[in-house]
Amino acid sequence: ETGVTQSPTHLIKTRGQQVTLRCSSQSGHNTVSWYQQALGQGPQFIFQYYREEENGRGNFPPRFSGLQFPNYSSELNVNALELDDSALYLCASSPKPGVTNEKLFFGSGTQLSVL
Amino acid sequence: DQQVKQNSPSLSVQEGRISILNCDYTNSMFDYFLWYKKYPAEGPTFLISISSIKDKNEDGRFTVFLNKSAKHLSLHIVPSQPGDSAVYFCAASANDYKLSFGAGTTVTVRA
Repeated sequence: ETGVTQSPTHLIKTRGQQVTLRCSSQSGHNTVSWYQQALGQGPQFIFQYYREEENGRGNFPPRFSGLQFPNYSSELNVNALELDDSALYLCASSPKPGVTNEKLFFGSGTQLSVL
Repeated sequence: DQQVKQNSPSLSVQEGRISILNCDYTNSMFDYFLWYKKYPAEGPTFLISISSIKDKNEDGRFTVFLNKSAKHLSLHIVPSQPGDSAVYFCAASANDYKLSFGAGTTVTVRA
């Protein structure tokens, strides 16, 4: 089975630009969550998508938005980039919503640098 | 606000000895706790978990202890091996859709 894949691996943008990050979920998984990991910090929950609908959201402004497609892959879009958006963005897929099981698989992440 | 805290950013231990990683939390609604391990350029991978109805869970060389009254959990690795060198994240869930992570502890196992 294929794991969680994210693209691109690295990205450099300038302040004010928009960015789209992509994630392919693991085979058989219908739920995708996005996390932001700033330097020296742990991952912070952005939002989760289940069956193409947002299933929960963390404390992130509306300029962070997402999509999930019928094949369960997902996109994270960030508008009006700020310097503080520089971080590693992690995608995680699971076979169902809820995280009390251990079947949450992370991708390797996209390292975003905003200059 | 940081609801999960790992106060030791790094830990160095000799191969064969015990590694003890600590984690504190503030949210009393958390009922499930997990440890993840992360190598450079890879995503976090699940290591071990514990439900709030237990105080200990063991899986091979890894044991997690939970002290609910102190809102504290720890991960013991015995014996430590060079392949254990990684960043370890403590995470917690309140039976909802998200995980709250600590900032991580970098473990270095010396030969």
